[in-house]
Amino acid sequence: AQSVTQLDSQVPVFEEAPVELRCNYSSSVSVYLFWYVQYPNQGLQLLLKYLSGSTLVESINGFEAEFNKSQTSFHLRKPSVHISDTAEYFCAVTPISGGYQKVTFGIGTKLQVIP
Amino acid sequence: DTAVSQTPKYLVTQMGNDKSIKCEQNLGHDTMYWYKQDSKKFLKIMFSYNNKELIINETVPNRFSPKSPDKAHLNLHINSLELGDSAVYFCASSQGPNSPLHFGNGTRLTVT
Repeated sequence: AQSVTQLDSQVPVFEEAPVELRCNYSSSVSVYLFWYVQYPNQGLQLLLKYLSGSTLVESINGFEAEFNKSQTSFHLRKPSVHISDTAEYFCAVTPISGGYQKVTFGIGTKLQVIP
Repeated sequence: DTAVSQTPKYLVTQMGNDKSIKCEQNLGHDTMYWYKQDSKKFLKIMFSYNNKELIINETVPNRFSPKSPDKAHLNLHINSLELGDSAVYFCASSQGPNSPLHFGNGTRLTVT
């Protein structure tokens, strides 16, 4: 079984400041990792994913996340946030194995960008 | 064009009623899901279908019954609604196992 821990339920940050949203996971097998973003009254959208290769992955809107296998972490960062980044962010994992596996989500971190 | 669409967006009903939520995806994906998001935003999978076949069935009361008439549609029927069923229900699809999920905009169910 897998579990995902997002340590911060809310992160307030001033506009143009950097931000880090933390995600740690636990799994007895190797996993794929994802970050999803949920804007108010909308469904979740994929922000970025780590499947293999370079441990640093980037999104088109300036977010990046680094997979750290030894620390079982996949923290999300952005060097300068905008008001439009205000949303709920979910870290998720799914096992790398044949067959259909459940995606396990963290409880989410609410990023609130302050003008 | 909306990739994953679900209807209705809002559903307000009384305890004991039966209701359905419909979901359709036009992405050509083989796998579809129902997730429940509670008031604390926690997301939990309920069901998953691959090409009309049930592949994941979490511990969900049997008042909830999914139906997949074809691989582009996955509906959720709920009998004898209870107060605790109030939540946002999300439909999602994916290209296959371990692929990213594509979510609909959710159905906010309120049971009074």
